[in-house]
Amino acid sequence: GAVVSQHPSRVICKSGTSVKIECRSLDFQATTMFWYRQFPKQSLMLMATSNEGSKATYEQGVEKDKFLINHASLTLSTLTVTSAHPEDSSFYICSATGVASDTQYFGPGTRLTVL
Amino acid sequence: QKEVEQNSGPLSVPEGAIASLNCTYSDRGSQSFFWYRQYSGKSPELIMFIYSNGDKEDGRFTAQLNKASQYVSLLIRDSQPSDSATYLCAALNDYKLSFGAGTTVTVRA
Repeated sequence: GAVVSQHPSRVICKSGTSVKIECRSLDFQATTMFWYRQFPKQSLMLMATSNEGSKATYEQGVEKDKFLINHASLTLSTLTVTSAHPEDSSFYICSATGVASDTQYFGPGTRLTVL
Repeated sequence: QKEVEQNSGPLSVPEGAIASLNCTYSDRGSQSFFWYRQYSGKSPELIMFIYSNGDKEDGRFTAQLNKASQYVSLLIRDSQPSDSATYLCAALNDYKLSFGAGTTVTVRA
């Protein structure tokens, strides 16, 4: 149980384009989903927290207009990187928690490369 | 000061030995603590969590928590080459996880 999927697993795009990443909880209802970013040789940095049907809460220093998060259902959250630039190239990972649980289960991650 | 700090490593142990990983945290309000394993290029996978003082065992893994010392550890017994990975310690506070930088473990065959 507690399986989280992400799509796509890898994406390469041109500078200035927008990229959408999907995060799905496959076998449980995710009341809260989290989006992280991880640069090479560094640990995970929380970008934002989203609850189903609510606006996402962004961490300090994360531009909410650049990283659009939508949590439309209890099994799906999306992260859209708008007007991507090479410095946005990173490993983006989502996680999800279920009802009455603090344990976060991670998706497989999406590697974004912006040319 | 970082919220969660781990011994920097890398840690190299022979196959069959015990690998010992340490983690300290600064926020006394942290409620639970998690150990994740991350293979290169992959996302973290949960090994175990602990929220009460003392030891918690799961197979070859034992987590230890000492809230007075703000210290968490993970022991890996009978280390296998497949245990070679980066181990992330995380502290939960107000539903958010703060991660340490990770300790890279290499198990020598």
